[in-house]
Amino acid sequence: QVQLQESGPGLVKPSQTLSLTCTVSGGSISSTGFYWNWIRQHPGKGLQWIGYVSFSGSTFYNPSLKSRVVMSVDTSKNQFSLKLSSVTAADTAVYYCARGIDSSGTSDYWGQGTLVTVSS
Amino acid sequence: DIQMTQSPSSLSASVGDRVSITCRASQSISNYLNWYQQKPGKAPKLLIRAASTLQSGVPSKFSGSGFGTDFTLTISSLQPEDFVTYYCQETFGTPYTFGQGTKVEIK
Repeated sequence: QVQLQESGPGLVKPSQTLSLTCTVSGGSISSTGFYWNWIRQHPGKGLQWIGYVSFSGSTFYNPSLKSRVVMSVDTSKNQFSLKLSSVTAADTAVYYCARGIDSSGTSDYWGQGTLVTVSS
Repeated sequence: DIQMTQSPSSLSASVGDRVSITCRASQSISNYLNWYQQKPGKAPKLLIRAASTLQSGVPSKFSGSGFGTDFTLTISSLQPEDFVTYYCQETFGTPYTFGQGTKVEIK
């Protein structure tokens, strides 16, 4: 059973960079055909796909966030990560990592989510 | 960007009822449509992909239909654990937009 777990600071100051890591267990992040997604959910609101990184390191980002997002993968640690720069209060959300069954954003296994609050 | 509009935003039903939730895309997306279920405080769970393919392990009381711009999620017999929120997601093109959600409440 594949499991994902987000980790990182729960509080980030405005203008700084939000950094999160997702650790994958029960399966290899290098397995072909899978893409590793980040999705966020603003408090009490709907879901927003942030982007994905493949095991080879190729990435695709939501155009609305593209200028501030960097995703990477560390196959030796079975982890992938998200960096979101120049954050504002509007970036306060629960951030989920998830396994994509292909490059379409369809996610079958999700982490539990981690709340990141942007505040001084 | 493709806009996804779910209706209704909320609905009230009773245990055992059959309910349907609609998702409409702002342009044709073929069958590139997923449905997720989200319980309070939990991550979404994939129920249906490609408009009508039931994800492994998901009970057959959930079914999906539709093509083009109009899609439907049907729950055949509501059980207490089904009174939660449901989201559609287009996978036709980035940014893989989600609908705003439909909350199913107990009447």
